[in-house]
Amino acid sequence: GAGVSQSPRYKVTKRGQDVALRCDPISGHVSLYWYRQALGQGPEFLTYFNYEAQQDKSGLPNDRFSAERPEGSISTLTIQRTEQRDSAMYRCASSLGSFGEAFFGQGTRLTVV
Amino acid sequence: ELKVEQNPLFLSMQEGKNYTIYCNYSTTSDRLYWYRQDPGKSLESLFVLLSNGAVKQEGRLMASLDTKARLSTLHITAAVHDLSATYFCALNYGGSQGNLIFGKGTKLSVKP
Repeated sequence: GAGVSQSPRYKVTKRGQDVALRCDPISGHVSLYWYRQALGQGPEFLTYFNYEAQQDKSGLPNDRFSAERPEGSISTLTIQRTEQRDSAMYRCASSLGSFGEAFFGQGTRLTVV
Repeated sequence: ELKVEQNPLFLSMQEGKNYTIYCNYSTTSDRLYWYRQDPGKSLESLFVLLSNGAVKQEGRLMASLDTKARLSTLHITAAVHDLSATYFCALNYGGSQGNLIFGKGTKLSVKP
């Protein structure tokens, strides 16, 4: 596609529910990254993939967070048993390869009530 | 510990004035990025700085990198209202260029 596409754009969920956030990278981009951005802060790295392989998940805050990219294209970030502190903007980025510039999507604004 | 510190965090400028945003970082890296973010929008890449002494310019913005001082600057010349946005510097670390550690951002407001 023309850019990195994320859905939904906005998600409001009740505490304790699971949520799945989707990222559709730029066509042909091998590398995909997930970031979380709290209000008034810079994005914080969560995890990244090359093709379908998760290369680094050191930024995932705890085991309620997981990500997958089973066919090396679309990726899903799942948060189980959401908590209020999970409320943030979740951003996805993709790049042509590990050494290519990353392009960011518009993000999913998650609110846990 | 990897740290990227920007200052100032808030900047209110008058149109026509010059100012500089500073970005200090704690470890060596081979790439430093500057991004712009408008409210409710995504991050737009402005500059990628690759080596010591690198300088890049686009319109009224000029970015430079001093790897020895671990410092990058974003200089704004003769500011205009359209430059109002939040500016982030980000340092590449790890094995992939998308592994970035961001500063907190500088919220720039240019007033007539």
